[in-house]
Amino acid sequence: KAGVTQTPRYLIKTRGQQVTLSCSPISGHRSVSWYQQTPGQGLQFLFEYFSETQRNKGNFPGRFSGRQFSNSRSEMNVSTLELGDSALYLCASSLRGTSSERHNEQFFGPGTRLTVL
Amino acid sequence: DQQVKQNSPSLSVQEGRISILNCDYTNSMFDYFLWYKKYPAEGPTFLISISSIKDKNEDGRFTVFLNKSAKHLSLHIVPSQPGDSAVYFCAASARSYQLTFGKGTKLSVIP
Repeated sequence: KAGVTQTPRYLIKTRGQQVTLSCSPISGHRSVSWYQQTPGQGLQFLFEYFSETQRNKGNFPGRFSGRQFSNSRSEMNVSTLELGDSALYLCASSLRGTSSERHNEQFFGPGTRLTVL
Repeated sequence: DQQVKQNSPSLSVQEGRISILNCDYTNSMFDYFLWYKKYPAEGPTFLISISSIKDKNEDGRFTVFLNKSAKHLSLHIVPSQPGDSAVYFCAASARSYQLTFGKGTKLSVIP
């Protein structure tokens, strides 16, 4: 079974630009979550999508947005980029089951390394 | 305010010995806890989890212990192997799919 894929793997942008990152979950997984990883803050939750609807949202400004398509693929958009947005952006997919003990098990992609100059 | 804390940024252990990684949490609503391992340039890989109704879960060389009264969990790796060298993240969730992560502990297993 193919794992979670993220594109692109590396991206360099300048301040003020916008960027779109893509995530394809494991086949059959309908939940996609996005995380930002920085050296100072660690891994921080951005948002989760399930069945094309945002179900949970972390504490990030409105410049960070996302969406999910009917095939469960998800995109994340960051507008008006700031230097502090430089980070590794990780996508994770899960089955989002209700009865299994492992229902919260999330599978991560390799991430997109975004550098803002 | 950090709800999940891993107070040891790094840990070195001799091959074959036990590695013990610790994690503390403050949010009493957390009901599911997970450990992830991360190698450089890769996403985190799920290792083992435990729900709040249990106090221990084992999977091969990995055992997670949960002490709810102390709001503390630990990951034991026995025996430790050089391939276990990685950054280990503790994560928790409160009846949702939002995971709150600690900042990680870098484990080095010395041959």
